[in-house]
Amino acid sequence: AQTVTQSQPEMSVQEAETVTLSCTYDTSENNYYLFWYKQPPSRQMILVIRQEAYKQQNATENRFSVNFQKAAKSFSLKISDSQLGDTAMYFCAFYNNNDMRFGAGTRLTVKP
Amino acid sequence: EAGVAQSPRYKIIEKRQSVAFWCNPISGHATLYWYQQILGQGPKLLIQFQNNGVVDDSQLPKDRFSAERLKGVDSTLKIQPAKLEDSAVYLCASSLTANERGYTFGSGTRLTVV
Repeated sequence: AQTVTQSQPEMSVQEAETVTLSCTYDTSENNYYLFWYKQPPSRQMILVIRQEAYKQQNATENRFSVNFQKAAKSFSLKISDSQLGDTAMYFCAFYNNNDMRFGAGTRLTVKP
Repeated sequence: EAGVAQSPRYKIIEKRQSVAFWCNPISGHATLYWYQQILGQGPKLLIQFQNNGVVDDSQLPKDRFSAERLKGVDSTLKIQPAKLEDSAVYLCASSLTANERGYTFGSGTRLTVV
C-alpha cells in the first residue's frame, strides 16, 4: 500500500522569505500523481499544486513550486515570498488507481 | 461554480447518540468521497461513490457508519451509535471522475463526541 510521510509537524517562516516543506512516499507504481493541499482554519482543503509522475519538469504555480525526485520518492513544496495568508496546514497526497492517500500534514506559520 | 456544500458545520453529541452529515457536491461531479480527519492526522477515506454506487468502502466501520447517495447527487453519512473516538472533522469531496486532477473539498463538519 502507498504511504505518504511528512516529517515536519510544524514549521515557521518570516514574511517574504522562502520555506520548503518535505514529503516522501512509498510506492511500487510507476505512474501516479502527487499533490499539495492547503488547509486553512476554515478547514476547506485547497489544491495548491499537482505533479504527474511521468513528467520530469517540476510543476510551478506562481509562488509555489515543487522539487520532484522520482527515484528518491521525494516531493517537496517550496513557497517563495511567503505571505501571512499562507499560514495553514499543508498536506502532501499521492494518487494512483482511484486511491488518494494523505500525509499527516505540516503546520506552517508565517510570521510578520 | 458553487463549491461542495456540507452541513452542519459543527456538531456536539453524547456517546451512543446518532448523528448525520450532509454533502452536496459540485454539479455534474460523478464521484463523491467522505473522509475522516482526526486531529493531527491527514484525511482518511471512508467511502467513495461513483454516481449512486459504492466504489470503495473498505475503510468504513460498517458496524456503526453508513452512507448513501440517493439519485447520485447529495450524500448523507451517518454514525450510530457514536463513540468518543469518532470525534473528528468529516470532509466531503467530489470530482468529475475518479481522476488524477485532484478533488474539490467542502469545509467539513467538526464532530465532537462527549
